[in-house]
Amino acid sequence: GIQVEQSPPDLILQEGANSTLRCNFSDSVNNLQWFHQNPWGQLINLFYIPSGTKQNGRLSATTVATERYSLLYISSSQTTDSGVYFCAVCSNTGKLIFGQGTTLQVKP
Amino acid sequence: DTEVTQTPKHLVMGMTNKKSLKCEQHMGHRAMYWYKQKAKKPPELMFVYSYEKLSINESVPSRFSPECPNSSLLNLHLHALQPEDSALYLCASSQELNWQSLGSPLHFGNGTRLTVT
Repeated sequence: GIQVEQSPPDLILQEGANSTLRCNFSDSVNNLQWFHQNPWGQLINLFYIPSGTKQNGRLSATTVATERYSLLYISSSQTTDSGVYFCAVCSNTGKLIFGQGTTLQVKP
Repeated sequence: DTEVTQTPKHLVMGMTNKKSLKCEQHMGHRAMYWYKQKAKKPPELMFVYSYEKLSINESVPSRFSPECPNSSLLNLHLHALQPEDSALYLCASSQELNWQSLGSPLHFGNGTRLTVT
């Protein structure tokens, strides 16, 4: 099956810093999504991005499907950005396969 | 606020109890999902319903029984659970199943934190 690898596994930032999270996948996929899970467990869909670039405020994402990777950019990080960031890809079996996540801690 | 509502938020149950988790969405989505998440792990797919029919069962033990009464509701009936079933149970919905055309974004509820004693 498709393998999804996220890096780095853990990241600590000072408030205001920028960061890039990476998601590599091992096969062609129908779509890719980025999620943020806050410390209370709420899982929010950040981007639905099978290809190209999207921006939403301080967050943006780029997926290069032909090279099998996606990047999530966080600019001017805030403490509320803390949590776990998951990328998930949809295989041709219809299942959404999650990476192991990047745990981000933003310090004030 | 999430548009997928799950109740209860927390549930403690004994191994002989029967309980149900409920999920509701009013976005007109036709696919609904149950996921299980253990601490520090990604969500694991349990069941998928598409147009109110069970589409995927990820070899989940029969002590978990899903039900989709209508296009807006999804239940998960629990019976004779084990302590290792303690986890966060997440419901999600999407416009269509993810493998149709380019699929559609998945929206999660806030989850039910289940403890089995």
